Amino acid sequence: KAGVTQTPRYLIKTRGQQVTLSCSPISGHRSVSWYQQTPGQGLQFLFEYFSETQRNKGNFPGRFSGRQFSNSRSEMNVSTLELGDSALYLCASSLEAGGNQETQYFGPGTRLLVL
Amino acid sequence: AQSVTQLGSHVSVSEGALVLLRCNYSSSVPPYLFWYVQYPNQGLQLLLKYTSAATLVKGINGFEAEFKKSETSFHLTKPSAHMSDAAEYFCAVSDPGTYKYIFGTGTRLKVLA
Repeated sequence: KAGVTQTPRYLIKTRGQQVTLSCSPISGHRSVSWYQQTPGQGLQFLFEYFSETQRNKGNFPGRFSGRQFSNSRSEMNVSTLELGDSALYLCASSLEAGGNQETQYFGPGTRLLVL
Repeated sequence: AQSVTQLGSHVSVSEGALVLLRCNYSSSVPPYLFWYVQYPNQGLQLLLKYTSAATLVKGINGFEAEFKKSETSFHLTKPSAHMSDAAEYFCAVSDPGTYKYIFGTGTRLKVLA
């Protein structure tokens, strides 16, 4: 079974631009979560989607948004990029939402550099 | 709300020495606990998870963790460190109240030759 895939793997953008990252979960998984990882802040939860609905959201500004499609694939969008948005963005999928013994499986991440 | 605390953001051990990475959790209900490992420029990979079936959980690459309810701990150990164990390790708890996975701040393990 194929793992979680994320595209693109690397991105370079300039301040003020917007970016869309894509995540394809493991087949059959309905929950997709997004995390931002930076050296200074560690792993921070962005949001989680379950069956096309955003179930949870972290403490990020409205510039960060996401969606999930009927096939469980998910996208996250960051508008008006800032230098501080440079990070590794990780996507993770699980069969169901968190709160149980389900394992989250992570993709390799998209490394975003904002210049 | 549930939370996870990892003591020590950086741990160094000699090759062949015992690895001990600490994780304490706070939970008002029986938790589901996880340890993940992240190698440079990669995503997180599951090492092991506790689901209440057994307090001593064995994972991949020779790692194991023991759930101690009285100490609210889930420390990760490996009897003999290998150079390939150098990575960042994350402890996480699954929160049934919010459907979230809550991660610790991570411990970077360095293995000295």
